Amino acid sequence: GQQVMQIPQYQHVQEGEDFTTYCNSSTTLSNIQWYKQRPGGHPVFLIQLVKSGEVKKQKRLTFQFGEAKKNSSLHITATQTTDVGTYFCAGVKAAGNKLTFGGGTRVLVKP
Amino acid sequence: EAQVTQNPRYLITVTGKKLTVTCSQNMNHEYMSWYRQDPGLGLRQIYYSMNVEVTDKGDVPEGYKVSRKEKRNFPLILESPSPNQTSLYFCASSLRRDSFGYTFGSGTRLTVV
Repeated sequence: GQQVMQIPQYQHVQEGEDFTTYCNSSTTLSNIQWYKQRPGGHPVFLIQLVKSGEVKKQKRLTFQFGEAKKNSSLHITATQTTDVGTYFCAGVKAAGNKLTFGGGTRVLVKP
Repeated sequence: EAQVTQNPRYLITVTGKKLTVTCSQNMNHEYMSWYRQDPGLGLRQIYYSMNVEVTDKGDVPEGYKVSRKEKRNFPLILESPSPNQTSLYFCASSLRRDSFGYTFGSGTRLTVV
């Protein structure tokens, strides 16, 4: 079945530094979504990417959908303590309609 | 305020005692779903509903039941809970299953002893 893998599982970042987390699918996707879950909280929808090569920005967060629509990345610049949490990607298989979540990247920020 | 409301937030119960976790959304969403979240296993889908009276199994449905008699409500039923169902449960809703972001409830932390 469809698999969505995220790397790394854990990311320790110094405050002020940049980092990138990656999401890879075993199949071509029609769209990909990103969510953030703060410690003790629930997943919150951040963004959806639909087009091949699409890039979207939300303040210090940059989301990219790969040209082949099988991978995606989230890049955070100048990390802040408010960025702490687990970031999930979730993809919908092309010609399908099920949203499959990746395992998440847990981000810890060192002040 | 647009939201998904789950109750209770915390529940400790004993093996075999039937329980229901309620989920309600006020956004007129067609699609609703239940997930469980366990350390190292991410979010796994239990059951989902495409609309009223339409439900189907997700990836880990064993030991769970659901119903969708009204559009806004999607309760999760554990007929005979077992310790391996100790987990953090989330209800989510969306306009459609595949092309809109999901709104999640605040979660229910269930412990079965």
